Amino acid sequence: DAKTTQPPSMDCAEGRAANLPCNHSTISGNEYVYWYRQIHSQGPQYIIHGLKNNETNEMASLIITEDRKSSTLILPHATLRDTAVYYCIVRNITQGGSEKLVFGKGMKLTVNP
Amino acid sequence: DAGVTQSPTHLIKTRGQQVTLRCSPKSGHDTVSWYQQALGQGPQFIFQYYEEEERQRGNFPDRFSGHQFPNYSSELNVNALLLGDSALYLCASSLVGVETQYFGPGTRLLVL
Repeated sequence: DAKTTQPPSMDCAEGRAANLPCNHSTISGNEYVYWYRQIHSQGPQYIIHGLKNNETNEMASLIITEDRKSSTLILPHATLRDTAVYYCIVRNITQGGSEKLVFGKGMKLTVNP
Repeated sequence: DAGVTQSPTHLIKTRGQQVTLRCSPKSGHDTVSWYQQALGQGPQFIFQYYEEEERQRGNFPDRFSGHQFPNYSSELNVNALLLGDSALYLCASSLVGVETQYFGPGTRLLVL
């Protein structure tokens, strides 16, 4: 079972920041938070991941609370092409191997013109 | 830099038949994972291959089998197809020690 909880859907206006929440209250110390998105009928696209520090790349920013029980993915200037299902995944990475990705139902983000 | 590629893109089979799906990992990657995504659901992990061995397996029956070749490419085989096997089959590649998985576009399988 997925270890994360996301709202089923969210709307955002084009050009505005989209803040996508995720709860992972049972996360353990060696588990990372990963975000992927899936545009209709395509393969999931990796966005970003983090352990406990905030992370930023060319696509998004990831803010993880100090207790690590929740996080927020921020798309700073949403475009229509950001409309997709977003998956927040908690994943254990240990030396010598990595755990599978366990997807929940994700959250449908709709960016409106 | 080529990303993950999968073939074929679409496939139609009938119940009882067998199917082979193929995946070429992203350049430099050595690990391949396979996922099944039914309509309206998130992807479900089938298995993972590294060094030509199955390293992890999800809750799928033995009808689902795989192989990894020395060049790191991989095949997913499904025997005795059922209607419920209709899904998008996704391949993801990664590099041991880095572990972020990158997905291919998928193969859409329809079983009639």
